Amino acid sequence: QKEVEQNSGPLSVPEGAIASLNCTYSDRGSQSFFWYRQYSGKSPELIMSIYSNGDKEDGRFTAQLNKASQYVSLLIRDSQPSDSATYLCAVDGSQGNLIFGKGTKLSVKP
Amino acid sequence: DGGITQSPKYLFRKEGQNVTLSCEQNLNHDAMYWYRQDPGQGLRLIYYSQIVNDFQKGDIAEGYSVSREKKESFPLTVTSAQKNPTAFYLCASSIGTGNGYTFGSGTRLTVV
Repeated sequence: QKEVEQNSGPLSVPEGAIASLNCTYSDRGSQSFFWYRQYSGKSPELIMSIYSNGDKEDGRFTAQLNKASQYVSLLIRDSQPSDSATYLCAVDGSQGNLIFGKGTKLSVKP
Repeated sequence: DGGITQSPKYLFRKEGQNVTLSCEQNLNHDAMYWYRQDPGQGLRLIYYSQIVNDFQKGDIAEGYSVSREKKESFPLTVTSAQKNPTAFYLCASSIGTGNGYTFGSGTRLTVV
């Protein structure tokens, strides 16, 4: 059974700090990696995708991928209270679908 | 604007009743998916379809059924055989394997 593991949190950071969210996955053959943000009571929203080793930056968000360690992370710089949400890591499965972690709840304190 | 629409937003089901959740997309995506989300459980795959007239069972298909007669539509029926249907149901679509999903706004189903 392919798995995606995330620390459930909650992760609490002060406003303006860097939030670091981590994810590990079990399938060494996975090629596509995604981060979704989900506000309470809402549906997930895609915020980052990454396909190759290294860093990918988009505004305040940086995704980092290390396939050798089977590890993907999301950094949020200058965290804002509006970033408070649950962040889901997703990895491609063998049948064309995505496998989701259970999510890490982030709380940004003003 | 292109998007994926789920309806209804809230649905109440009586014991022994079948209910159907609607999912429509105008993104011209080939693949569509149904997930169930329970508190603390993450997203669990119910059914998925990678092409019209074809669909596959996911991890928790028992008590559910789907159809994919049109590219745009992927309705989910929660049958009376599903003993614990109260959950948040999410429909998603993608352009194909290896691509991210676009999610609908979800349907919250409650058994009364």
